[in-house]
Amino acid sequence: ETGVTQTPRHLVMGMTNKKSLKCEQHLGHNAMYWYKQSAKKPLELMFVYSLEERVENNSVPSRFSPECPNSSHLFLHLHTLQPEDSALYLCASSQRGGGYNEQFFGPGTRLTVL
Amino acid sequence: GQSLEQPSEVTAVEGAIVQINCTYQTSGFYGLSWYQQHDGGAPTFLSYNALDGLEETGRFSSFLSRSDSYGYLLLQELQMKDSASYFCAVRDRGGGFKTIFGAGTRLFVKA
Repeated sequence: ETGVTQTPRHLVMGMTNKKSLKCEQHLGHNAMYWYKQSAKKPLELMFVYSLEERVENNSVPSRFSPECPNSSHLFLHLHTLQPEDSALYLCASSQRGGGYNEQFFGPGTRLTVL
Repeated sequence: GQSLEQPSEVTAVEGAIVQINCTYQTSGFYGLSWYQQHDGGAPTFLSYNALDGLEETGRFSSFLSRSDSYGYLLLQELQMKDSASYFCAVRDRGGGFKTIFGAGTRLFVKA
């Protein structure tokens, strides 16, 4: 595997379900991100982890719970979601250091909440 | 609030040149970048401008004017495969991780 991978690619869940999204990066980066992408809206940064420590939390509802067990893996735990949470969830990674920390994105998980 | 404005759609013909503009209003500024996203695909990095002026990478160029809070992406010799969404993004502070994205410009390239 190369780059940033995400599983599952598609997920349909009811409002009472609990599910988790998984992201893995194979680039040796030290920062990982979760974004939400809704149609015709800007990518919304949700969480950032740097060296496994959460450094950004953009006022995301508590029904979204991130977990970063190590620098290569990032999870987004979902529970009691709402239909408006249906979107494409993108994971990204970057290398913190001098210059611009270009972000490498995974293919995303298309989430539908019924 | 913090925002980036870019046109929602642009249409051009194969072989032509197209310019996608981006104006930004952010509390901090540490560079303007551009990403490309094909339907069903992941955003991929295209270019980055930290200083004023033009950066060229093959058929793509990106320009920045910090005094005008403005930049653009220039695509030359358009090809059908360039049909995609293009996002401008601003990193709001050095050493930080928060990147603010525009809503994206959908480029349609016609034969």
